[in-house]
Amino acid sequence: GDSVTQMEGPVTLSEEAFLTINCTYTATGYPSLFWYVQYPGEGLQLLLKATKADDKGSNKGFEATYRKETTSFHLEKGSVQVSDSAVYFCALTPGGGSQGNLIFGKGTKLSVKP
Amino acid sequence: EAGVTQFPSHSVIEKGQTVTLRCDPISGHDNLYWYRRVMGKEIKFLLHFVKESKQDESGMPNNRFLAERTGGTYSTLKVQPAELEDSGVYFCASSLGRRNTEAFFGQGTRLTVV
Repeated sequence: GDSVTQMEGPVTLSEEAFLTINCTYTATGYPSLFWYVQYPGEGLQLLLKATKADDKGSNKGFEATYRKETTSFHLEKGSVQVSDSAVYFCALTPGGGSQGNLIFGKGTKLSVKP
Repeated sequence: EAGVTQFPSHSVIEKGQTVTLRCDPISGHDNLYWYRRVMGKEIKFLLHFVKESKQDESGMPNNRFLAERTGGTYSTLKVQPAELEDSGVYFCASSLGRRNTEAFFGQGTRLTVV
């Protein structure tokens, strides 16, 4: 069945460092891809998404490109801040499915130190 | 506008007891989803309501779990009797009735069964 694999955490970075969180997927058809973020004490929030191959999702300085050839959707940010400390989840919905029927990765905890 | 709200935020119960979790979706959202994250694992889909009807309950782990959405508004998820492996964070999400619309998540209910 469909699945998402993301890099294990925790990831600890210094402020202004470059961030990459790897995410690969297995899916039939043409899934939509998402990154969700959970800040401490809060619920999941959609960070960015891409619905077709070569699309780039971006928000708050984060970017991810839908790479069908490598089945990947890696999350990047050029300069992280302390406020980016959170748990990041990569997810997909099967092609044509509702955006609520999500398949998640295990999550990657990011800690950014001043 | 209020977001998705979940009650309680935390619950600690003994094995064999009953617990009921509640989710109030965003007003006007026909779709309501329940998810669960067991410690260290992926967030897993449990079920999907469209208004008061169960659209997909393929993720429900067993018959100790009962979800309802009377009147198509708020939803409850009852666990009876609770087992140790039911511990985790239970998330609720809602979205509008149209396809390809974003799902908004609540803060989750952390359930601990001792």
